[in-house]
Amino acid sequence: AAGVIQSPRHLIKEKRETATLKCYPIPRHDTVYWYQQGPGQDPQFLISFYEKMQSDKGSIPDRFSAQQFSDYHSELNMSSLELGDSALYFCASSLEREAPPVFGPGTRLTVL
Amino acid sequence: AQSVAQPEDQVNVAEGNPLTVKCTYSVSGNPYLFWYVQYPNRGLQFLLKYITGDNLVKGSYGFEAEFNKSQTSFHLKKPSALVSDSALYFCARRGGSQGNLIFGKGTKLSVKP
Repeated sequence: AAGVIQSPRHLIKEKRETATLKCYPIPRHDTVYWYQQGPGQDPQFLISFYEKMQSDKGSIPDRFSAQQFSDYHSELNMSSLELGDSALYFCASSLEREAPPVFGPGTRLTVL
Repeated sequence: AQSVAQPEDQVNVAEGNPLTVKCTYSVSGNPYLFWYVQYPNRGLQFLLKYITGDNLVKGSYGFEAEFNKSQTSFHLKKPSALVSDSALYFCARRGGSQGNLIFGKGTKLSVKP
């Protein structure tokens, strides 16, 4: 079965640089979520999209933005990176509100 | 504040013994509750969910959970633990208009041979 694809899997950036993370949801899933998981932490919800429109916003910094494109893939754009942005970033997708979101493998971002 | 709580940072169990990973919730109305498992440097894998219906929910890999409304709990259980069950377990509830997950702090399960 198709899974959620995230790229890149690993990314190393310097402080103040920008980063773009990509997510390809499971085909026909209508909702995409982004989460940030710091070291030893639980995943924190950042933002979600339903049918390509932003639906909910969590603890996403103003330096971050995201969008979902016509082909349903989503990108998380991160600017002015800080050391504290080093984390695992997960994308998840689901079909229907009650269905459990399926998580991708994550992108590990390291900011030096 | 977390609306799901996992009171134990770590649970240690001997292989073959039953295991319980605890979760309590503080959501009014009908909570949508989930358990996910995370292996090191991996994504989160869905184990089971409670929406409505039977209070005992059976999930993947022999895990089950019991929804207890009077105790506001949704503990994860398995009758006989395997070493390969060692991982980080997250309890979560639905939130937001599109149902984003709100996670507990996680419980590290360690199963020793």
